[in-house]
Amino acid sequence: SQQGEEDPQALSIQEGENATMNCSYKTSINNLQWYRQNSGRGLVHLILIRSNEREKHSGRLRVTLDTSKKSSSLLITASRAADTASYFCATDASNYQLIWGAGTKLIIKP
Amino acid sequence: DAGVIQSPRHEVTEMGQEVTLRCKPISGHNSLFWYRQTMMRGLELLIYFNNNVPIDDSGMPEDRFSAKMPNASFSTLKIQPSEPRDSAVYFCASSLGSEDTQYFGPGTRLTVL
Repeated sequence: SQQGEEDPQALSIQEGENATMNCSYKTSINNLQWYRQNSGRGLVHLILIRSNEREKHSGRLRVTLDTSKKSSSLLITASRAADTASYFCATDASNYQLIWGAGTKLIIKP
Repeated sequence: DAGVIQSPRHEVTEMGQEVTLRCKPISGHNSLFWYRQTMMRGLELLIYFNNNVPIDDSGMPEDRFSAKMPNASFSTLKIQPSEPRDSAVYFCASSLGSEDTQYFGPGTRLTVL
């Protein structure tokens, strides 16, 4: 089953602009993760934010978590063509199982 | 480390044939996951191994699917007999511990005609 719901489903922006993707979930979590999937490739872990954290940064990535609204956002600043990919959020349903969203397809136009 | 290795990368087979997908997890990781990804259903966990033991196979669609992990460095996912609806990308992922970051292989794109 999929708990995470990313929105938008697809996003197309110009290179250099910022991209924001959102994820909503239904049940309580210990942590939330964001992954990237390039076309034809496996998923690559980007960042993990714990339930007691509100914001986390990694390079050009900024993740926020609002547990009261059961939502998270991923911001990619100064986007590049190489950022073109699908982005997935995943929440922990148990001590090993992740619940995955359907993903946001991001296209960076040169 | 080379990361998680999967083979083959692509597999095209005919309905009714047996298909075996292979995975080599990252050395030292004790958790291994098999996922299936389709446009319709997204990413689904099929089975989870911890220390080579299957812990949760509730995601395995039916008896045609089986998975083994004979040792810490090798796992297989077998489909026998295969059906067209099994067409998907199958990913293997491993993690240091069950709650740690999962590292994905490149996937096997399976097409069953």
